[in-house]
Amino acid sequence: NAGVIQTPRHKVTGKGQEATLWCEPISGHSAVFWYRQTIVQGLEFLTYFRNQAPIDDSGMPKERFSAQMPNQSHSTLKIQSTQPQDSAVYLCASSQGRTGLFFGHGTKLSVL
Amino acid sequence: GDSVTQTEGLVTLTEGLPVMLNCTYQSTYSPFLFWYVQHLNEAPKLLLKSFTDNKRPEHQGFHATLHKSSSSFHLQKSSAQLSDSALYYCALTHTNAYKVIFGKGTHLHVLP
Repeated sequence: NAGVIQTPRHKVTGKGQEATLWCEPISGHSAVFWYRQTIVQGLEFLTYFRNQAPIDDSGMPKERFSAQMPNQSHSTLKIQSTQPQDSAVYLCASSQGRTGLFFGHGTKLSVL
Repeated sequence: GDSVTQTEGLVTLTEGLPVMLNCTYQSTYSPFLFWYVQHLNEAPKLLLKSFTDNKRPEHQGFHATLHKSSSSFHLQKSSAQLSDSALYYCALTHTNAYKVIFGKGTHLHVLP
């Protein structure tokens, strides 16, 4: 079991460019979550899927952020027209039932 | 709505002294509470979670008791170790959702 896999580990974009972050959840886990981590805000909920269906995207900045889960083995978080304030570590996690979340190592996004 | 409050941003103490990290919550429904630990340059990992009965969860010397009367789930350990230095998050979910809400986190710094 390789755990939750996130790619890339680091991504640097210029202001206004697009960034796509990838997540491969643990096989058999039915729920996939995206969080954003910063020093100031801690872990902020963005969105989650259950059995590939979007359930709650209340934490997503609506204009530029979107997330998809086209199949049970991966999810993507896309940020259009990136801004410096989007710089953060983006964490993906998966779970099965209420056993707790298993996190990937995250993607550190730096917007210059 | 649901929320988790961790009042201390940083706790510094000497090795061998007891640890207590505060966590209080607000939840509309019956809550499940968790503690996650994140060491430097690692992903957050589940440390322990509350049970529906009155059992006290314990892991790696840490324990926490869910007190519904005071809406608290404080993390405790009788004797701090240098390796306990990390970022600790308290988190909440409830029976009607899978979404997990995190507090802002408490940095624990254990000195020799």
